[in-house]
Amino acid sequence: DQQVKQNSPSLSVQEGRISILNCDYTNSMFDYFLWYKKYPAEGPTFLISISSIKDKNEDGRFTVFLNKSAKHLSLHIVPSQPGDSAVYFCAAKSPNNDMRFGAGTRLTVKP
Amino acid sequence: EAGVAQSPRYKIIEKRQSVAFWCNPISGHATLYWYQQILGQGPKLLIQFQNNGVVDDSQLPKDRFSAERLKGVDSTLKIQPAKLEDSAVYLCASSFLAGGADTQYFGPGTRLTVL
Repeated sequence: DQQVKQNSPSLSVQEGRISILNCDYTNSMFDYFLWYKKYPAEGPTFLISISSIKDKNEDGRFTVFLNKSAKHLSLHIVPSQPGDSAVYFCAAKSPNNDMRFGAGTRLTVKP
Repeated sequence: EAGVAQSPRYKIIEKRQSVAFWCNPISGHATLYWYQQILGQGPKLLIQFQNNGVVDDSQLPKDRFSAERLKGVDSTLKIQPAKLEDSAVYLCASSFLAGGADTQYFGPGTRLTVL
């Protein structure tokens, strides 16, 4: 059961422009959402999170937006840098700490 | 602060053989997780420990997979016997607590290839 979906397997953007990664979920019980970044041969690294009671959380170049009515969240990276090239996983937690991941989006930032 | 350690990093075995993976979480982290990540998919939780007790193993194929965390620190995940479809990266993660905003920190993973 795919409760968390990332429908774009890949995204390519130019350095300095905005990267927008999208994620949709189906389970309304999720109360916490996270984005992880993964480089090859490494484990996922926590990037940013948002509680279901908020609609926006910002940390430097990274902003996560949550639209609960649409069951949709997005990660904005502005400005994008070549070092941001990685696979980005969206994850959602339910109150019992069950965390589900999307399949990931591979971001390539071109110099 | 040292991160989550896992070994081995890579393992190649033949089907029906047994294999074991080891994880050492971040010091002081009470909660430990094992995930399976099949190529092209996101990580899927296999088992969650709180100290040395199992909190959730609902997605662990118990006929062939087992895990333990005897002293509430290190953990081992075993597959016996392995099948072709077990080829994946096995990720260990740990967190200080277990809820809400508590962040899970991942190790580098063990890439298992079953031939």
